[in-house]
Amino acid sequence: DAKTTQPTSMDCAEGRAANLPCNHSTISGNEYVYWYRQIHSQGPQYIIHGLKNNETNEMASLIITEDRKSSTLILPHATLRDTAVYYCIVRPYPILTGGGNKLTFGTGTQLKVEL
Amino acid sequence: NAGVTQTPKFQVLKTGQSMTLQCAQDMNHNSMYWYRQDPGMGLRLIYYSASEGTTDKGEVPNGYNVSRLNKREFSLRLESAAPSQTSVYFCASSRSDEQYFGPGTRLTVT
Repeated sequence: DAKTTQPTSMDCAEGRAANLPCNHSTISGNEYVYWYRQIHSQGPQYIIHGLKNNETNEMASLIITEDRKSSTLILPHATLRDTAVYYCIVRPYPILTGGGNKLTFGTGTQLKVEL
Repeated sequence: NAGVTQTPKFQVLKTGQSMTLQCAQDMNHNSMYWYRQDPGMGLRLIYYSASEGTTDKGEVPNGYNVSRLNKREFSLRLESAAPSQTSVYFCASSRSDEQYFGPGTRLTVT
């Protein structure tokens, strides 16, 4: 699976958009970009994933560059409850691998949302 | 719908003791996983089970064994606990692309 690079930490004011970048310059054609987050001491929570088109759901938006070498997770109106470690993960879509939906977690970005 | 449940929530073991961490999911997922998370680090995959009846090693399998008891349950066993196995253990399950995680078991080996 391709390696990802994320900033160690970021701050965001409550109510503002939080933009979390991720570099995945070695991504291959069949690999998707997944985002998970981990609120302190809890199990990780799935946020969103995408291949090449921008994606949006009730939690966030995912913007993937045209060359697919980087992406940005956007939390449009961050709240204190969004304070968490955010993980960007690149992996093939599970149906194509036949070996289970394995995830490789890095150290992620610690997002701190402040008043 | 409880999702993924793990027992126990906390455990303290002495070096050399054995124990089994239990995990169950009620979402009818085919795949299940065991991860460990050490302080300040991301999760690392210990073992996974792509479907009932199969198990495979992940990134850090040494010192652990697993059993996929049925589609719902996936247990992790430490035969002879070592201080290096002090960690938080997370179980997860998935049907295809999205993994659902349990609340974790905090294990301390003294």
